[in-house]
Amino acid sequence: EVQLVESGGGLVQPGGSLGLSCAASGFTFSDHYMDWVRQAPGKGLEWVGRVRKKANSYTTEYAASVKGRFTISRDDSKNSLYLQMNSLKTEDTAVYYCVAVGLSYYFDSWGQGTLVTVSS
Amino acid sequence: DIQLTQSPSFLSTSVGDRVTITCRASQGISSSLAWYQQKPGKAPKLLIYAASTLQSGVPSRFSGSGSGTEFTLTISSLQPEDFATYYCQQVKSYPVTFGQGTRLEIK
Repeated sequence: EVQLVESGGGLVQPGGSLGLSCAASGFTFSDHYMDWVRQAPGKGLEWVGRVRKKANSYTTEYAASVKGRFTISRDDSKNSLYLQMNSLKTEDTAVYYCVAVGLSYYFDSWGQGTLVTVSS
Repeated sequence: DIQLTQSPSFLSTSVGDRVTITCRASQGISSSLAWYQQKPGKAPKLLIYAASTLQSGVPSRFSGSGSGTEFTLTISSLQPEDFATYYCQQVKSYPVTFGQGTRLEIK
């Protein structure tokens, strides 16, 4: 069974930093692109970014709203995905989901999400 | 960026009804579209991908159609567990984008 478990969410002040992790199991993590998607309270889904697999040199893509502030990385030896968030803004408040991207680039599997609150 | 516009945004419906949700793309995306279902407090679930392919385990009352710029998700006979919010998503180009969502509520 595919499992994605996010951790690291919490309360942070504007301008601060926070790191999220996602532990993956039940599938061959290294074979998949991995994404982060967020959802502000009561709002819709927003794609945050992607890290490709080793065969694609672990290259990344980001939404314009987070580019230059957020960094996505992975450690295939630990089956883990990471999201480092810097210079946080109140509008970054959201539930952050870890997503395993299927071979056809659709979002097959989602974690349960972790809440990040940016507030003073 | 490719914008996806869903209609309606909200629908009050009854068990047994046939429901159709439309998703329009701001530019052509061939068949690079998926539909997700999300229930309150839960992660989204993939229902349909490549515009019309049913994800494994999803009931056959769900179907998708369309290509280019106009797509539809149809639920042939609404069941109590189908009352949720539905999102379309395009994966044709970066950034990946989602529609604003369509919320189905019990009439």
